[in-house]
Amino acid sequence: DADVTQTPRNRITKTGKRIMLECSQTKGHDRMYWYRQDPGLGLQLIYYSFDVKDINKGEISDGYSVSRQAQAKFSLSLESAIPNQTALYFCATSDSTRVQPQHFGDGTRLSIL
Amino acid sequence: SQELEQSPQSLIVQEGKNLTINCTSSKTLYGLYWYKQKYGEGLIFLMMLQKGGEEKSHEKITAKLDEKKQQSSLHITASQPSHAGIYLCGADSGGSNYKLTFGKGTLLTVNP
Repeated sequence: DADVTQTPRNRITKTGKRIMLECSQTKGHDRMYWYRQDPGLGLQLIYYSFDVKDINKGEISDGYSVSRQAQAKFSLSLESAIPNQTALYFCATSDSTRVQPQHFGDGTRLSIL
Repeated sequence: SQELEQSPQSLIVQEGKNLTINCTSSKTLYGLYWYKQKYGEGLIFLMMLQKGGEEKSHEKITAKLDEKKQQSSLHITASQPSHAGIYLCGADSGGSNYKLTFGKGTLLTVNP
């Protein structure tokens, strides 16, 4: 089983719909992140959380919200989806040690029509 | 904020050839990470570099961090089709928040 699991893997929905992307991890890491990837733009940080009671905005948080339900679970919501939120979304985790790599899930491909 | 420039943006090589991808930072790198991504899939962690002058290798891939800790290179020896994908560098911002900044990636194509 994957250490960082994202669901769903693919989602097509319509403008205005509410969408939730879920992430769960078995690595025991404290820190969790949500990124979006667009062609030519690389990875952009949406939100990050250093523990269950800590939520921080990233570079592009407008239009998104998150919930850290437990150490192992971090969900991303689009309250009212719009077409320019069509992208590949990644969840990542890392240990709380100062310099450590982030470990990524396989991504959710989201298309908003 | 820290910015990472990767070059080249894309690269096409013949199988068996060597190649180098560069990652340059506007600020000192406290931790530099190399990832590989197959198109549309997740990022696979390759290597992490921390110290100036550090060099690490994994199979045919070698990554180096320069002495000034502002530039890193990824070198692939005798490339194979399995090396194809997008290579991304990520850097620790060095602040109190520890989140990573990523370059835009280098698309590598290896022709058989």
